[in-house]
Amino acid sequence: EIVLTQSPGTLSLSPGERVTLSCRTSQSVGSSRLAWYQQKPGQTPRLLISGAYFRATGIPDRFSGSGSGTDFTLTINRLEPEDFAVYYCQHFGTSPSLMYTFGQGTKLEI
Amino acid sequence: EVQLVQSGAEVRKPGESLKISCKGSGYIFPTSWIGWVRQMPGKGLEWMGIINPSDSDTRYSPSFQGQVNFSADKSINTAYLHWSSLKASDTAMYYCVRPNAGDTFFDYWGQGTLVTVSS
Repeated sequence: EIVLTQSPGTLSLSPGERVTLSCRTSQSVGSSRLAWYQQKPGQTPRLLISGAYFRATGIPDRFSGSGSGTDFTLTINRLEPEDFAVYYCQHFGTSPSLMYTFGQGTKLEI
Repeated sequence: EVQLVQSGAEVRKPGESLKISCKGSGYIFPTSWIGWVRQMPGKGLEWMGIINPSDSDTRYSPSFQGQVNFSADKSINTAYLHWSSLKASDTAMYYCVRPNAGDTFFDYWGQGTLVTVSS
């Protein structure tokens, strides 16, 4: 079973800053199987990035994803007040069966 | 427009049974798996498993195998999550999710059903 480790657990930043969130997988994975979600307090998670790099519909271009192998990152340029939320990475696997795994999340706070 | 609409919040006592639902619309329901995700209070997202509504093929996360059951009724575009005997530790928000066409991520989420188990 693949384990996703996100770091840091919590990050305190200010609007306008740039931030990079990390998601490390316990073994090498295909980038097509790595996604990122944002969850604001009291809200349903929403898809930000799929296939490690591709922004979902309606996601501002200040959000970008990168990485390969075991190291993936979500970068947010010029933080806006509405970006303060919890971010999760997620992997899809097929061995030995269909399996989805979430990282434990990174909380971005002001 | 694709939508997943879940049933409302539930309060139950330990040992009671419960079935919550997730109704899909805006797409051909049997053509996509439906998954379930748990979020305990103040905690992260946990994938519970997934069901194929066309044939009820079901895959459970090892952490949830034997703890819950999934079912689906494709005639009414609805998937279900069922507990036969609730525990206090089942208190959580439960989301149904729809994977994308390649099944690699969840592009649609239900609004969530809050389940509270307390004596």
